[in-house]
Amino acid sequence: ELKVEQNPLFLSMQEGKNYTIYCNYSTTSDRLYWYRQDPGKSLESLFVLLSNGAVKQEGRLMASLDTKARLSTLHITAAVHDLSATYFCAVVTSGTYKYIFGTGTRLKVLA
Amino acid sequence: EPEVTQTPSHQVTQMGQEVILRCVPISNHLYFYWYRQILGQKVEFLVSFYNNEISEKSEIFDDQFSVERPDGSNFTLKIRSTKLEDSAMYFCASSEGTVYGYTFGSGTRLTVV
Repeated sequence: ELKVEQNPLFLSMQEGKNYTIYCNYSTTSDRLYWYRQDPGKSLESLFVLLSNGAVKQEGRLMASLDTKARLSTLHITAAVHDLSATYFCAVVTSGTYKYIFGTGTRLKVLA
Repeated sequence: EPEVTQTPSHQVTQMGQEVILRCVPISNHLYFYWYRQILGQKVEFLVSFYNNEISEKSEIFDDQFSVERPDGSNFTLKIRSTKLEDSAMYFCASSEGTVYGYTFGSGTRLTVV
């Protein structure tokens, strides 16, 4: 059964700093998604990664996918307070429609 | 931008009662899903629905749960006899295909007392 792990689970960082969130998964997949969730709110799509070596960037966030290592990273550059949220990766295995979500990383950016 | 709409936003129900959670997916989407998130925990898959039938379901989605697309626009999740452990945020989602990312609704917070 596919397992998806994220680390760290909690991340408190100063504004202006860089950091990386990691998403590891246990079986073969060629589709990985990143979502953001604010407290009590829905899941907002950030990135769709569909192939090995895929890299997507939006503002201060950059996501990449290494299907051979079964690893995706979400890199935060020069963090700002507005990035405070919980970030989830989600993986889909071939032949299914369902997402398996990671445990989530709760990010707090301190002003 | 098109949205997935869920109603109600919050529902409180007595244990053992039936509840129906409603969703209006994006109009040209073909795939529909229900997920739930127990407070502070990760998001769990319940069921996927395509071409008017269930395409996949999880172990959580037992005989107490059912889904329906009664009129071509609404997509509902029914829980027949709610338990305390059904208390969670329930998210509906839809997608154009199996590759594209989902669009999630704003969620229904279900509280079973």
